[in-house]
Amino acid sequence: NAGVTQTPKFRILKIGQSMTLQCTQDMNHNYMYWYRQDPGMGLKLIYYSVGAGITDKGEVPNGYNVSRSTTEDFPLRLELAAPSQTSVYFCASSYVWGAGEQYFGPGTRLTVT
Amino acid sequence: QKEVEQDPGPLSVPEGAIVSLNCTYSNSAFQYFMWYRQYSRKGPELLMYTYSSGNKEDGRFTAQVDKSSKYISLFIRDSQPSDSATYLCAMKGNFGNEKLTFGTGTRLTIIP
Repeated sequence: NAGVTQTPKFRILKIGQSMTLQCTQDMNHNYMYWYRQDPGMGLKLIYYSVGAGITDKGEVPNGYNVSRSTTEDFPLRLELAAPSQTSVYFCASSYVWGAGEQYFGPGTRLTVT
Repeated sequence: QKEVEQDPGPLSVPEGAIVSLNCTYSNSAFQYFMWYRQYSRKGPELLMYTYSSGNKEDGRFTAQVDKSSKYISLFIRDSQPSDSATYLCAMKGNFGNEKLTFGTGTRLTIIP
């Protein structure tokens, strides 16, 4: 099992550009999450999904969009990138809703300049 | 006031020392308490998971929860250089409070 994989590992964007962060899990988990991690701020939930076709906003959704067409994939879309979106992004999945045990990917380091 | 407060450190201790990491919280709805370990440039991984007040031991690690004080701790005995990482506390409740709320993390270095 590869677990949760994310691509790319690193990316530099110019202000106003768009990109998609990819996330795939092979554990057949229904529940998937996107977090961002900023220094001194902890992990903040951006969006989550409870199954294919069902997504909902987390704590900090502005500037992001998600889709979930399959159980395995949960891409995060950044439209019109801003410097405030410079962060490390983590995708996670869990077997049950509200599970304390979430499985995290290795992260994507994004810089917007 | 943040819902979860965690001293960011950094904390440096010699190998073999006992390490104490702590978090305080304000939301009395939190019932489940977790410690995640995050190595540099990696994603967090679950280390300990406890429910309500009390202690839980797993090898060199002990998680302690005091709900009356809204205070949780992680103790590491006989610390090893491989324990060098950032430790994140996380917590959640039930019935609409299931999303995890994370602390900011404490960066720990064990000096050989």
